[in-house]
Amino acid sequence: AQKVTQAQTEISVVEKEDVTLDCVYETRDTTYYLFWYKQPPSGELVFLIRRNSFDEQNEISGRYSWNFQKSTSSFNFTITASQVVDSAVYFCALSEDNYGQNFVFGPGTRLSVLP
Amino acid sequence: DGGITQSPKYLFRKEGQNVTLSCEQNLNHDAMYWYRQDPGQGLRLIYYSQIVNDFQKGDIAEGYSVSREKKESFPLTVTSAQKNPTAFYLCASSIDRDQPQHFGDGTRLSIL
Repeated sequence: AQKVTQAQTEISVVEKEDVTLDCVYETRDTTYYLFWYKQPPSGELVFLIRRNSFDEQNEISGRYSWNFQKSTSSFNFTITASQVVDSAVYFCALSEDNYGQNFVFGPGTRLSVLP
Repeated sequence: DGGITQSPKYLFRKEGQNVTLSCEQNLNHDAMYWYRQDPGQGLRLIYYSQIVNDFQKGDIAEGYSVSREKKESFPLTVTSAQKNPTAFYLCASSIDRDQPQHFGDGTRLSIL
């Protein structure tokens, strides 16, 4: 079973619009970690945020914000006032605590911000 | 500067040939990973290593081999048994498996 679902394959917005990227995960562990990564056209993955399962506080970093809700197993990512430089593929990832498990990446959401 | 270096950036393989992708890190990380990314798709784990001289198969290990003789290095060999090797290969490292992974710039492998 897929453990990380990013239902939005591609999203296009016009610059300055707000956009939310959805991430739904599945795990039986009580301790786990969630991540978001950005992959610009150049190809390398850039780490954006890490959140552990015991910290449900939402986080804001500049134009980026994350909403973690254990009740719905979601860890959504919002970009406020989007810019062209935000165009990239964004991946949500899950790391579980039991031995042998590693990072599981979602399929990614391609965001295009049009000028 | 600390980071992960993958080489080469582009690699071409002939039929029946083994090729080795290099991954070196100077971050003093214990854990290292190899992922494969196909066009328009997410990352799939090939192999990972939590410590020197130890490594484990990921989801798509068939046709690949690795070694971890040094903490800094985790080379990936794409063998002739891998019938569809054309993809973008990403190497990553982390302090531990619950910590963020740092990625290299990737190697794009194509079949001649």
